[in-house]
Amino acid sequence: AQKVTQAQTEISVVEKEDVTLDCVYETRDTTYYLFWYKQPPSGELVFLIRRNSFDEQNEISGRYSWNFQKSTSSFNFTITASQVVDSAVYFCALRLENAGNMLTFGGGTRLMVKP
Amino acid sequence: DTGVSQDPRHKITKRGQNVTFRCDPISEHNRLYWYRQTLGQGPEFLTYFQNEAQLEKSRLLSDRFSAERPKGSFSTLEIQRTEQGDSAMYLCASSSPSGTGGPQHFGDGTRLSIL
Repeated sequence: AQKVTQAQTEISVVEKEDVTLDCVYETRDTTYYLFWYKQPPSGELVFLIRRNSFDEQNEISGRYSWNFQKSTSSFNFTITASQVVDSAVYFCALRLENAGNMLTFGGGTRLMVKP
Repeated sequence: DTGVSQDPRHKITKRGQNVTFRCDPISEHNRLYWYRQTLGQGPEFLTYFQNEAQLEKSRLLSDRFSAERPKGSFSTLEIQRTEQGDSAMYLCASSSPSGTGGPQHFGDGTRLSIL
């Protein structure tokens, strides 16, 4: 069975600090997809990124970057120069190619960015 | 692209009553998902439709829960004889038919409170 662990339940930083959110996943499958979602106080889950298991290239999008390492089964998310608007709960999720279409989510990390 | 729409946003009901939620997916998306999210947790998969066919159901979906997608467009999730433990946010998501592992786009959710 698959599992996603986000060990950091809550992180507090001051604006402009860099912050990394950790995600560790477990699966025996070789083909899978990893996702990050943002859930602001309004409640809607906002899709941020998808990675497939064969693509270990790191990705940067503006202030966001993602580090995918199969060797450690991790898919970490870094926000550079954090802003108050980044305050939200962030979820990492896993979908297996051969196990249907369900997303398995981690427990989430609440990020609070203080001015 | 108007996004995934869910109605109502909030529902308060007494224990034992039946409730029904509606989800309108993004128009060109043929895949539709229901998830449940309790406070402080990540979303948990309930069920999945491809067009009008319900292809996957989680063990979380007890006999009191039923989901339909009669014409392959909007979907309804009904909970009969509600219990205190049903209090949660019910999230709907949809994804496009192209390729596999495509991102699921979520609605704002329906928050259910059982008195």
